[in-house]
Order: sequence, then structure tokens, then C-alpha cells
Amino acid sequence: DQQVKQNSPSLSVQEGRISILNCDYTNSMFDYFLWYKKYPAEGPTFLISISSIKDKNEDGRFTVFLNKSAKHLSLHIVPSQPGDSAVYFCAASAKQTGANNLFFGTGTRLTVIP
Amino acid sequence: EAGVVQSPRYKIIEKKQPVAFWCNPISGHNTLYWYLQNLGQGPELLIRYENEEAVDDSQLPKDRFSAERLKGVDSTLKIQPAELGDSAVYLCASSFGASGASTDTQYFGPGTRLTVL
Repeated sequence: DQQVKQNSPSLSVQEGRISILNCDYTNSMFDYFLWYKKYPAEGPTFLISISSIKDKNEDGRFTVFLNKSAKHLSLHIVPSQPGDSAVYFCAASAKQTGANNLFFGTGTRLTVIP
Repeated sequence: EAGVVQSPRYKIIEKKQPVAFWCNPISGHNTLYWYLQNLGQGPELLIRYENEEAVDDSQLPKDRFSAERLKGVDSTLKIQPAELGDSAVYLCASSFGASGASTDTQYFGPGTRLTVL
């Protein structure tokens, strides 16, 4: 039972344009959401997070939006750069499942075309 | 500051053989996690340690998998015997370990890619 879903396995955007990666979740008890970025042969790297008490968190070119009623979050990258090409994983956690157990989506491969 | 260290990076074994993976977390991180990542999937938690105590091993297949974290620092994950379906990337992560906090960021190592022939 996939509690965190990333329905787009891949996304291609032109350099300088906006990249929007989407994520849906089913467990209403999730209270913290994260995005990880993964390059080949490396482990996932933490990118940005958002608590369920907020609907937006921004860090430089990266912004995460949370829509709790729709159980949906998205990651916006503006402007996109070739170095952003990687697999992006959405993850979520809830206190009831254990202090910090993360549930991951299946990932979206972003390709930024120079 | 050094990140999470894992070894080996790659391992190829024949089925029914044993295999072990080693993880050294970030210094000062009390919580350590082992994840399994199958091809095309996201990481899935196998076991979580807080210091030397395994506080969540509900997803660890205990018939063939075992883990330990002696002295609350390094950890070893073992599979004995390995099966073809165990081919995957095994990731170790660590976090500072603020008890009860769901906002404790996890930092991942590069993983060990296991191939079982």
C-alpha cells in the first residue's frame, strides 16, 4: 500500500524554466513532508521540508507547497538548472508511525535541458 | 564534516551465501536507519535504532535479516542466506535523534548495491 505517490516517473524542462514536481499522499496523519534529491550512485540528499502547519516553504530556488485538504504537495524549482537533473523523492512522516519513520514515493526523474 | 559512510559500495554474491553491510553514521547522531531500495522504488525502512536499541524492526524479515548496533555508533546489517530477490540498494541514514520529533532530518549514505546471482 503506497501511502506516498509520485505519479510522474519523469519530467523534462528547459534550463531557466520552472520545474514542478508533484506528490500525493493518502495518510491524513502525516504531519511533515520532505523532498530528497538523488544523483546516480549516491544516497538521497535532503533538499527542503515543510510542516503540516504551513502551506509554503521557500529556500532559494526551491519552494514546496502543501495542500492538506487535497493531500498534495509540490516542489517548484525556479529557475531550473542542468545541475538539478536528478531523481526527486517525496517523503512523509507522522508521529503516530514512530518518531521519524519516513515513507517515500517512487521518485520523479527530472532532466533539465541546457 | 564527514557524512554517513557505508561499505562496501558494491557486492556481488551467489544465492544462499551470507552478506554483511556496514554503516558509520554522522558523528553525534543517535538515530540510525537501514532502508531497502528496489529498482524504480523509493527507500523502504527496514529497521530504526535509537542509540543501541532497535526501536522499530517491524519491516525487517527476521528469518534471514539481522542487524546490530553495538555501542550505539556503527551498525551492521546481515543477510543469511541471500536470495535472488534481495538484489537491491541498501541505504543507511542517520539523524540527530530528537526523541519524538518527526522533523528530525535524516542524512543518507551512498548505499550498498547488492547483486545476488
